[in-house]
Amino acid sequence: ETGVTQSPTHLIKTRGQQVTLRCSSQSGHNTVSWYQQALGQGPQFIFQYYREEENGRGNFPPRFSGLQFPNYSSELNVNALELDDSALYLCASSLDESNTGELFFGEGSRLTVL
Amino acid sequence: AQTVTQSQPEMSVQEAETVTLSCTYDTSESDYYLFWYKQPPSRQMILVIRQEAYKQQNATENRFSVNFQKAAKSFSLKISDSQLGDAAMYFCAYRSAVYSSTLGRLYFGRGTQLTVWP
Repeated sequence: ETGVTQSPTHLIKTRGQQVTLRCSSQSGHNTVSWYQQALGQGPQFIFQYYREEENGRGNFPPRFSGLQFPNYSSELNVNALELDDSALYLCASSLDESNTGELFFGEGSRLTVL
Repeated sequence: AQTVTQSQPEMSVQEAETVTLSCTYDTSESDYYLFWYKQPPSRQMILVIRQEAYKQQNATENRFSVNFQKAAKSFSLKISDSQLGDAAMYFCAYRSAVYSSTLGRLYFGRGTQLTVWP
């Protein structure tokens, strides 16, 4: 059974650019959520996808968008990057959208915006 | 909105000793879950322990136990017989058990960095 994997592990972008982060969920999991963890902070919920549909969103602007594919892997896209977007982006998967399912986290993608 | 507060940015403990990490939360809901996650330098969040709000009994996982005080909205983590491998950032988190727009969302505190001295 493979765990949650994220790519890339590190990347550097400049202001105004666009970035795509990828996540492969744990085998059998159909729900993926994304979190932003700024330095010295706890993770903040960005959004959640269940069976290819967004079904929950945190307080993030529309330039943060996502996709979930039929194999339940997911992408996080951020347009018009700003310096404050520098953070660790964590992906988590769970068995279903219910609140009882345990979340399994990946190791994150560290984004630096210069 | 739900908020989670960890008032101890840093804690330290001697190996084999016991340490308690504090967490308080604010919610108007009666049914929810509380978690402690560990984040080592590898960055991967690892679930340490979980508590269902409807259960009065405090959860225990080997050397890890919680003191859940629902009325006081307090959820502390006790680590007994501390080991060097326990050194990490610890996050307290809240998750609603009510089907709503916040379905599945975890609310995290800012974390407590635990150092374990040999």
